[in-house]
Amino acid sequence: QQQVKQSPQSLIVQKGGISIINCAYENTAFDYFPWYQQFPGKGPALLIAIRPDVSEKKEGRFTISFNKSAKQFSLHIMDSQPGDSATYFCAAPDISNTGKLIFGQGTTLQVKP
Amino acid sequence: SAVISQKPSRDICQRGTSLTIQCQVDSQVTMMFWYRQQPGQSLTLIATANQGSEATYESGFVIDKFPISRPNLTFSTLTVSNMSPEDSSIYLCSVRGQGYTEAFFGQGTRLTVV
Repeated sequence: QQQVKQSPQSLIVQKGGISIINCAYENTAFDYFPWYQQFPGKGPALLIAIRPDVSEKKEGRFTISFNKSAKQFSLHIMDSQPGDSATYFCAAPDISNTGKLIFGQGTTLQVKP
Repeated sequence: SAVISQKPSRDICQRGTSLTIQCQVDSQVTMMFWYRQQPGQSLTLIATANQGSEATYESGFVIDKFPISRPNLTFSTLTVSNMSPEDSSIYLCSVRGQGYTEAFFGQGTRLTVV
């Protein structure tokens, strides 16, 4: 069964620091690779996504790095803020190329003031 | 981005009963999906809701337990049938537009079965 492996499971960062979350995928369709942010009691919100034809995408303090040969992609949060404390999920397109996404296990980020 | 409304937002149900969850999108979308998120866990795809035809279920999920309808391009329902406490989860509707655009989620339905 296709898997997406996300690490670390939890992360504690000081305010102003850099948060890094990694994901590794198996064989997938090459569609796009998103990151979602989820606060308690809310649905996942799309944070940033990358198409596989580029190696990096930056939006404000959030950057995705994509390594197609290694089948890995990561989320970097620069200047982390307490408001960034949430659970983050990566996802990869299902190999069936039917639009389905396979999600990583999630990373709980805590940013300390 | 699409605006997705899910109803109800939460419910507490008796075991053995059924609950129907509605997902309404503010624009026509190509794909609609239903996910389950158990407490503290990741998202697991239940099925793809197909417009005008039977839903496509993932391994471990069956139509008798999770019947799904999608009468048009903006609306879908998921029913959780004959509920047990193990069905207590958050159920999420997700949509994608034509050309495999970004996927968006509703706010979810938090279901507690007692």
